[in-house]
Amino acid sequence: AQTVTQSQPEMSVQEAETVTLSCTYDTSESDYYLFWYKQPPSRQMILVIRQEAYKQQNATENRFSVNFQKAAKSFSLKISDSQLGDAAMYFCAYTGANSKLTFGKGITLSVRP
Amino acid sequence: GAVVSQHPSRVICKSGTSVKIECRSLDFQATTMFWYRQFPKQSLMLMATSNEGSKATYEQGVEKDKFLINHASLTLSTLTVTSAHPEDSSFYICSARAPPYGYTFGSGTRLTVV
Repeated sequence: AQTVTQSQPEMSVQEAETVTLSCTYDTSESDYYLFWYKQPPSRQMILVIRQEAYKQQNATENRFSVNFQKAAKSFSLKISDSQLGDAAMYFCAYTGANSKLTFGKGITLSVRP
Repeated sequence: GAVVSQHPSRVICKSGTSVKIECRSLDFQATTMFWYRQFPKQSLMLMATSNEGSKATYEQGVEKDKFLINHASLTLSTLTVTSAHPEDSSFYICSARAPPYGYTFGSGTRLTVV
């Protein structure tokens, strides 16, 4: 079975600074997708970024980028120029052949003004 | 983009009664819908997967008779919590596969059983 591990329960970053959220996963599949989701206090799940395993190029979305290391099964999220609105819970997630999303435990990110 | 509308957003019910939560895909056909349960400050736990026109597949440990899932059309899936008890109080979220975006989530339902 696939597992997703987010070992840091909380992180804090100064506004305008950069922060990296860690995620590792375990799978025997070769074709899969990885995601980072943001869950603000409203609890609406928001897609931050998506990475296809077959793509070597790291995905980027404006201030958000990933460092995808397939061999190491690592998928970290970098948030640049952090903003107060980035404060939320962030989940790393995996999906493969069975189409089910497997989530990590999540990390609570706070942004200091 | 693909949108899933989930209702109600909050519901309070008496112990022993049943509650129905609806998820509708507004601008796409959701052949597969996922139902999650989330406790405060915790991750999403997959409860079941529903496919249009067929029986839902439940995750291990989830009571099928307590959490009834119906996916009668390509745009509507429902979760009914039967004979609800205080321990069923939680946040319930639905999600649908919506290519090419991946997965889209409903806004969630906060269920409180008193």
